[in-house]
Amino acid sequence: DIQMTQSPSSLSASIGDRVTITCRASQGISSFLAWYQQRPGKVPNLLIFEASTLPSGVPSRFSGSGSGTDFTLTISSLQPEDVGTYYCQKYNSAPWTFGQGTKVEIK
Amino acid sequence: EVQLLESGGGLVQPGESLTLSCAASGFTFSFYAMAWVRQAPGKGLEWVSIISGGGGAFYAESVKGRFTISRDNSKNTVSLQMNSLRAEDSAIYYCARTDAHYYFHYWGQGALVTVSS
Repeated sequence: DIQMTQSPSSLSASIGDRVTITCRASQGISSFLAWYQQRPGKVPNLLIFEASTLPSGVPSRFSGSGSGTDFTLTISSLQPEDVGTYYCQKYNSAPWTFGQGTKVEIK
Repeated sequence: EVQLLESGGGLVQPGESLTLSCAASGFTFSFYAMAWVRQAPGKGLEWVSIISGGGGAFYAESVKGRFTISRDNSKNTVSLQMNSLRAEDSAIYYCARTDAHYYFHYWGQGALVTVSS
């Protein structure tokens, strides 16, 4: 099975900072990569699909890039409401594996 | 508006069974694959199972042979039959609707399952 590895596991940044989270697949998955945000105590929320496409309603400070095995989620200017845990997920085939998560906090 | 409402969670003893249900509304149910994702307390997300609109199903290795996913397109519901439950199955179980290539676009509020003696 393809493994999904995120880094870092956690980060602390200041309001307005640029934040980058990486996700690496153990084998190529083309662009079948999604990112989810889970705010504390809340339900996961789809942030990005097809590696770089934002669903309607997701703020434009979020962006995604990459294909194959290496992917990046970027928050261009960190806001207080961005606190939470971010997960990548592969969906090219079974199993639909998630990364272990990256916890984002405000410094 | 897409709505997903899970039900059936609760406290059970190890080895017992439990069935979760997810009632869907706001979209043409039969067009979309539906999935279950769980999250143990303080842990990350774990995909459990997925079923296509036509009924084809996949399972995570951790639940294969114990859990069965099913759907009733006439009632707009998807269910997860969980047998031989273990303590490590304790989690919030989320129902999710997929889109296009089976990423999880919409999520329910979750149902808590606790397996403990």
